[in-house]
Amino acid sequence: AQSVTQLDSQVPVFEEAPVELRCNYSSSVSVYLFWYVQYPNQGLQLLLKYLSGSTLVESINGFEAEFNKSQTSFHLRKPSVHISDTAEYFCAVESGADGLTFGKGTHLIIQP
Amino acid sequence: ETGVTQSPTHLIKTRGQQVTLRCSSQSGHNTVSWYQQALGQGPQFIFQYYREEENGRGNFPPRFSGLQFPNYSSELNVNALELDDSALYLCASSLDSGNYGYTFGSGTRLTVV
Repeated sequence: AQSVTQLDSQVPVFEEAPVELRCNYSSSVSVYLFWYVQYPNQGLQLLLKYLSGSTLVESINGFEAEFNKSQTSFHLRKPSVHISDTAEYFCAVESGADGLTFGKGTHLIIQP
Repeated sequence: ETGVTQSPTHLIKTRGQQVTLRCSSQSGHNTVSWYQQALGQGPQFIFQYYREEENGRGNFPPRFSGLQFPNYSSELNVNALELDDSALYLCASSLDSGNYGYTFGSGTRLTVV
């Protein structure tokens, strides 16, 4: 069985400040790791993914995440946030035909 | 390339009724999965279909059932609706069980009264 823990349900941060959203996972097999973003009243959009190879993965809008196998973590970071980054962020792990297992989400609140 | 489309966007049903939700997969994707997202929670995996066969299921009772058609579109059927079935239902399509990432639709908001 696999599980995902997002340690913060809500993260307030000032505009242009850095942010880190934390994610820890547990799994007995090799996993693929994902971050999804959900804007109000919308579905989920893939932000970035780790399948294999380099442990640092980047998205096109400035987010990055680092896979740390020893700490079973996949934290999401951005060096400078904007108002438009306000959303719910979900970390997920996938292993075969068991679909995606999601964390409970972190609400990123950007303060002007 | 078209994305994943779901219909209807909103639906209100009475407890005990049956409901069918529909999903059109992204072009080229052969795998579809369904998720239930209760308010304030992360999505929960219901089941997954690969080339018209169910090949994975989460912890949901048998009254949640599905179909995938030859064109890879899909249906989610829920019988004997309960109040706790009120949620956002998300469909996601992928190529070969999601190794390349899942594309999600905008969801169907189901309210059971």
